[in-house]
Amino acid sequence: NAGVTQTPKFQVLKTGQSMTLQCAQDMNHEYMSWYRQDPGMGLRLIHYSVGAGITDQGEVPNGYNVSRSTTEDFPLRLLSAAPSQTSVYFCASSLAGPTYNEQFFGPGTRLTVL
Amino acid sequence: GESVGLHLPTLSVQEGDNSIINCAYSNSASDYFIWYKQESGKGPQFIIDIRSNMDKRQGQRVTVLLNKTVKHLSLQIAATQPGDSAVYFCAESGANDKIIFGKGTRLHILP
Repeated sequence: NAGVTQTPKFQVLKTGQSMTLQCAQDMNHEYMSWYRQDPGMGLRLIHYSVGAGITDQGEVPNGYNVSRSTTEDFPLRLLSAAPSQTSVYFCASSLAGPTYNEQFFGPGTRLTVL
Repeated sequence: GESVGLHLPTLSVQEGDNSIINCAYSNSASDYFIWYKQESGKGPQFIIDIRSNMDKRQGQRVTVLLNKTVKHLSLQIAATQPGDSAVYFCAESGANDKIIFGKGTRLHILP
């Protein structure tokens, strides 16, 4: 099993550009989520999905869109990048909701918005 | 990554000694707690968890202690090794099924 994979590993954008961060898991997990991590802070939840076709907002959803058309994939879209979105982005998955279920994290995407 | 962990509290421990990392959690309704390890340039990795109906849980070289009275969580690492060098996060979850992460502590191993 590859676990949770993320692409790209690094990305530089200009303000106003859009892009999609890819996330895939091969563990047949129902629950997937996106977090951002800023210096000196813990991870903050952006969006999550409890299964294919179902998504919901987390703590910091503004400026991001998600969709879940398959169990395996959970892409994160930045609609119009802003410098405040410079961060490291982590995708995670678990068998079911993260309470009582181990979350597996991807290696992260480091995004810089100029 | 190298930018993660700036301004984090740091614990320096001699190799071979025991490490104790502390965490204060915020929500008295939280009933599930997790410790994660994050090495430089990698995603967080699950270490150990504990439910609120327990006050102690042991894993391989790690022990988590939960004190609900003062909302305090600790992670003990026995016989600390160079590979334990990382940032450690505590996290909590409750009825809303969302994980709230703490800010993290950097563990530095002295040779």
